[in-house]
Amino acid sequence: DAMVIQNPRYQVTQFGKPVTLSCSQTLNHNVMYWYQQKSSQAPKLLFHYYDKDFNNEADTPDNFQSRRPNTSFCFLDIRSPGLGDAAMYLCATSVKTGVGANVLTFGAGSRLTVL
Amino acid sequence: DAKTTQPPSMDCAEGRAANLPCNHSTISGNEYVYWYRQIHSQGPQYIIHGLKNNETNEMASLIITEDRKSSTLILPHATLRDTAVYYCIVRVFSGGSNYKLTFGKGTLLTVNP
Repeated sequence: DAMVIQNPRYQVTQFGKPVTLSCSQTLNHNVMYWYQQKSSQAPKLLFHYYDKDFNNEADTPDNFQSRRPNTSFCFLDIRSPGLGDAAMYLCATSVKTGVGANVLTFGAGSRLTVL
Repeated sequence: DAKTTQPPSMDCAEGRAANLPCNHSTISGNEYVYWYRQIHSQGPQYIIHGLKNNETNEMASLIITEDRKSSTLILPHATLRDTAVYYCIVRVFSGGSNYKLTFGKGTLLTVNP
């Protein structure tokens, strides 16, 4: 089945130690998103790629970076994780559209713990 | 900058219909309303979306008022597995040809035996 796969599902890192989360998709969707979801909060958009065009949210800290080497893969890099970065990180994809509907397909998420 | 308002929580008896309201009074004429749900510790799951007409699929029905300022998601026969946070979302234009989905706080639906 076509799907969005995130790895690892669980990641433990030390304060300040860089971490990379990966997302792959078999849907051939043009758009890929990264959301951060802290405990008991709604998902918050960090950034998204429209094809190769990177779109950063204004309030996303510089500590968060992303790479999209090809259509299928997207990475979230956290350069120096702090305790406040502990969260579930959700990857999602959608078909590129202009005006009209675009439905997001989410992965299962990567839960990051910072010690 | 979520553009929707939902009650924080609702309860429903198993087997009964669950009706989840959403207010989106500032929605523009060509924007869709989307509903997603998130079961604990899982990624959000798409349920349904609509523009003007009522919509139905295998999961739910979506009723949109004629002025499009509010909508109701209906789960016709709620089961315990429908316990989740339900998000009503209107896309936000983010420049160029880009749109994004911004999640509000959602409604925690608890289905009780």
